[in-house]
Amino acid sequence: GENVEQHPSTLSVQEGDSAVIKCTYSDSASNYFPWYKQELGKGPQLIIDIRSNVGEKKDQRIAVTLNKTAKHFSLHITETQPEDSAVYFCAASINLQGTALIFGKGTTLSVSS
Amino acid sequence: DGGITQSPKYLFRKEGQNVTLSCEQNLNHDAMYWYRQDPGQGLRLIYYSQIVNDFQKGDIAEGYSVSREKKESFPLTVTSAQKNPTAFYLCASSAGVLGPQHFGDGTRLSIL
Repeated sequence: GENVEQHPSTLSVQEGDSAVIKCTYSDSASNYFPWYKQELGKGPQLIIDIRSNVGEKKDQRIAVTLNKTAKHFSLHITETQPEDSAVYFCAASINLQGTALIFGKGTTLSVSS
Repeated sequence: DGGITQSPKYLFRKEGQNVTLSCEQNLNHDAMYWYRQDPGQGLRLIYYSQIVNDFQKGDIAEGYSVSREKKESFPLTVTSAQKNPTAFYLCASSAGVLGPQHFGDGTRLSIL
């Protein structure tokens, strides 16, 4: 079946450093790629998304890049802060009977001050 | 405030019992989703509904059932046929087929 691979599973950085999380997807028909941040005991929150008609999108310290040929996309966080510590999930759209999302297994980001 | 409300936050079930998890949204979204999250795992799709009175199975629908009688409500029943129901259950909604999904804060189900 279709799947999304996410790496690394854990990432530790110093405050102020950059963090990069990478995902690859298998369904060549996928055309929507959101990223979510999940804090302990909470539901995931959408932080940025990208559609297949663009290669990069940026929102302040967060950016996402997409390479449709290679079927991979990445999340970049610059100038990391302790409050960026959380679990991050990537996802890709899939066409079932309708459209849904398939998620990666998550990356636990720890930012130490 | 607009959002998605899941209740209860914690739920305990005895062996052999069915239990229903509530999900309500006041975002006027057409589509609603149920996911299961296990430790160290991503979110796995159980059921989704893109319009009232219609719903589709996701990857792990066995042992679960849903209904979508109202636009704002999408309850999930975990039946006794679900052999490993202990998990964190998340409900989401989106405005359209490819609209961003917004999540509730989940229900943690445990077996007594």
